[in-house]
Amino acid sequence: TQLLEQSPQFLSIQEGENLTVYCNSSSVFSSLQWYRQEPGEGPVLLVTVVTGGEVKKLKRLTFQFGDARKDSSLHITAAQPGDTGLYLCAGGSGAGSYQLTFGKGTKLSVIP
Amino acid sequence: DTGVSQNPRHKITKRGQNVTFRCDPISEHNRLYWYRQTLGQGPEFLTYFQNEAQLEKSRLLSDRFSAERPKGSFSTLEIQRTEQGDSAMYLCASSALNSGTGELFFGEGSRLTVL
Repeated sequence: TQLLEQSPQFLSIQEGENLTVYCNSSSVFSSLQWYRQEPGEGPVLLVTVVTGGEVKKLKRLTFQFGDARKDSSLHITAAQPGDTGLYLCAGGSGAGSYQLTFGKGTKLSVIP
Repeated sequence: DTGVSQNPRHKITKRGQNVTFRCDPISEHNRLYWYRQTLGQGPEFLTYFQNEAQLEKSRLLSDRFSAERPKGSFSTLEIQRTEQGDSAMYLCASSALNSGTGELFFGEGSRLTVL
């Protein structure tokens, strides 16, 4: 069974601070996605990374896929209250299986 | 609105009753997924359709759960003889056939509370 562990589980920071959240596994994934979920809503896709070592930027968000494709990080610069939410990573195993394995998420609160 | 649509958004039922959820995917998406999410957890895969064919089922999908996608468009998820442990958010997602990396577009979910 492939597992994704996310850390920290909870994070509360002041507006303007920087932060990094992590997604780790002992398994190799063919792709890794990050989603953000707000209370009572479904997850919304932020980014997909597929190549080991890949770095993608989305405004103030920087996503990195580990060289061995077992881990990923999300860095947010100058966090804003609108960044508040549950950040989920999800790994795809490929090999004809289309199910994604999700981590438990990091719940981020950005205080104005 | 051309996103994934789910209904009902909320359902409260008594233990032992049957419930059915409906999902309308993005119209050009061939793939449709059901996930379940409980409090403090990430979504857990339940089942996957490509067009009308149900190609994958999780062991989480007990005999009381059945999902259909009869015409390859909308899908239903039925839970029979509900139990309190079935209380969760049921999420539907869809993706395009040529999406090799499997990006999912989720609906807003159907929250089930079993009393």
